[in-house]
Amino acid sequence: QLQLQQWGAGLLKPSETLSLTCAVYGGSFSTHYWGWIRQPPGEGLEWIGDINQKGATNYNPSLKSRVAMSVDTSKNHFSLKLTSMTAADTAVYYCVKNFDLWGRGTLVTVSS
Amino acid sequence: QTVVTQEPSLTVSPGGTVTLTCASSTGAVTSSYDPNWFQQKPGQAPRALIYNTNNKYSWTPARFSGSLLGDKAALTLSGVQPEDEAEYYCLLFYGGGWVFGGGTKLTVL
Repeated sequence: QLQLQQWGAGLLKPSETLSLTCAVYGGSFSTHYWGWIRQPPGEGLEWIGDINQKGATNYNPSLKSRVAMSVDTSKNHFSLKLTSMTAADTAVYYCVKNFDLWGRGTLVTVSS
Repeated sequence: QTVVTQEPSLTVSPGGTVTLTCASSTGAVTSSYDPNWFQQKPGQAPRALIYNTNNKYSWTPARFSGSLLGDKAALTLSGVQPEDEAEYYCLLFYGGGWVFGGGTKLTVL
């Protein structure tokens, strides 16, 4: 059964770069879209972007200048980098497969 | 900027039927927007319920159904159970990107 396990730093200072990785276990890494979604505390969901196994990406226009996603098919990993973090980026970040499988989420707090 | 609008809150009695809707600021929602619906309970990750307007996952309870209703996407719960109390989000596709609705808090009372 396919599972997603994500990890990354949970506390960042303003201007630092967020780096999260999501590992895919128990199934094929190919033929799916792998994405990231975030949710500020007490607020709704925001789509950040997605990437396929060939590395083709789609990003939320509001975040496009700061976002980079990548895949490592040899490790069945995909990753998110978000630069110039501010308090407004404080959120739970989820990795997803095709929206039908979600990671547990990582709370990322930006504070000086 | 595209805005996807849902009812902020709805209340339904156990055993009743309720319809949640999802509207787009760009106009009528059609199947080309690939409407998806998610359920989120406190402290949990969202769970996918519906994709491509009206398709259910293997884990989606039969009482949940998706449709297009007028110019909106809709999620109908028939025979509501207490465990259906949750936040529900719709998701629409806009040519390479996706936008979530603000969510509907469903109370079962």
